[in-house]
Amino acid sequence: GAGVSQSPSNKVTEKGKDVELRCDPISGHTALYWYRQSLGQGLEFLIYFQGNSAPDKSGLPSDRFSAERTGGSVSTLTIQRTQQEDSAVYLCASSLAHGGRGDEQYFGPGTRLTVT
Amino acid sequence: GEDVEQSLFLSVREGDSSVINCTYTDSSSTYLYWYKQEPGAGLQLLTYIFSNMDMKQDQRLTVLLNKKDKHLSLRIADTQTGDSAIYFCAEMGGGADGLTFGKGTHLIIQP
Repeated sequence: GAGVSQSPSNKVTEKGKDVELRCDPISGHTALYWYRQSLGQGLEFLIYFQGNSAPDKSGLPSDRFSAERTGGSVSTLTIQRTQQEDSAVYLCASSLAHGGRGDEQYFGPGTRLTVT
Repeated sequence: GEDVEQSLFLSVREGDSSVINCTYTDSSSTYLYWYKQEPGAGLQLLTYIFSNMDMKQDQRLTVLLNKKDKHLSLRIADTQTGDSAIYFCAEMGGGADGLTFGKGTHLIIQP
């Protein structure tokens, strides 16, 4: 079946602009995760959704970052007033269930964000 | 916070076994995972092990877990050029919301 898909695959934006990143999870997966991969910080967990709800947003790097999920499926990660330090690959993952058995997370190909 | 440590590089000859090691600090980790990342690609889930297991074998892959020492290893038998990639160890601690990853081990295959 289809895996996790993300769009766009690459995004170049000017500092100060807003960007929106999209994730389509595997059909039937109730849990959805956002991570960020950068050279300096490695792989960082940002936020997860169980259904449409994100219980804890404290992993988001700043209040310029927000995420939502609608219909228990597609999720968008929005970065407002982008800064150069936001440049990274943003990875989305999904799993059947959060925590415990079934929480094998399958990753999408990522969105490479470059802020100039 | 919790931490996962890995060596940055491992070089092996084609046909030999590769052993990639990982240590973690979270004693409440329930599942531990190995992911593979090839250049320009996303993360591919290779295998995982539940914390009450000592070993898991899947074709050329063997995972060993020493829970007392918080040490995880991934053995790749008969290493091939297609195994060249970055291998990430990850854990999900009890009560954690997301995976904590190591920095990744670059596996380099020598002909």
